[in-house]
Amino acid sequence: GQNIDQPTEMTATEGAIVQINCTYQTSGFNGLFWYQQHAGEAPTFLSYNVLDGLEEKGRFSSFLSRSKGYSYLLLKELQMKDSASYLCAVSPSGGSYIPTFGRGTSLIVHP
Amino acid sequence: DTAVSQTPKYLVTQMGNDKSIKCEQNLGHDTMYWYKQDSKKFLKIMFSYNNKELIINETVPNRFSPKSPDKAHLNLHINSLELGDSAVYFCASSQAGTNTGELFFGEGSRLTVL
Repeated sequence: GQNIDQPTEMTATEGAIVQINCTYQTSGFNGLFWYQQHAGEAPTFLSYNVLDGLEEKGRFSSFLSRSKGYSYLLLKELQMKDSASYLCAVSPSGGSYIPTFGRGTSLIVHP
Repeated sequence: DTAVSQTPKYLVTQMGNDKSIKCEQNLGHDTMYWYKQDSKKFLKIMFSYNNKELIINETVPNRFSPKSPDKAHLNLHINSLELGDSAVYFCASSQAGTNTGELFFGEGSRLTVL
């Protein structure tokens, strides 16, 4: 089975940097995803990590440490529109590859 | 053009009724999914289906059944609706057989059971 843990809620100030952590336990690992979900909308893909290290994509970066079962999503130069839920999802190995999602972190960006 | 589309977007119905939610994707993907998102925003896999294999989350009641007329469609049929079935149901698709493919989600169908 899989167990994914991330903080329920975070707040940050516009223009600041915020780091959203995700820890996971899985019997097999084949990659970790981050998705963004605005209220009332569908989740949209942000990043995918399968190897250790940092992947940078504009204002968003995602880090993975497989040995520690740990990932974080780093958001720089926060904007009000970044207020959303951020979902960590792990894809298992061994067949189905179906991503299992954590409960999501609700990020509130205030002026 | 919408990549993954679901209908209806909103559905309000009485306990005990049977209802269906339709999903279509025009991305040419071979794998489609149904996820359920409850009031606490937890997104749980219900089914995964490609043209070869149906994978069912064992915790899903057998009142829920996926039906796929072709690889571009995966509909969700629910029998004998219960109050606890109220949730947002998301359809998604991805490239078959690879975990490197991201999931493309539909806009969701909000089901309310009274």
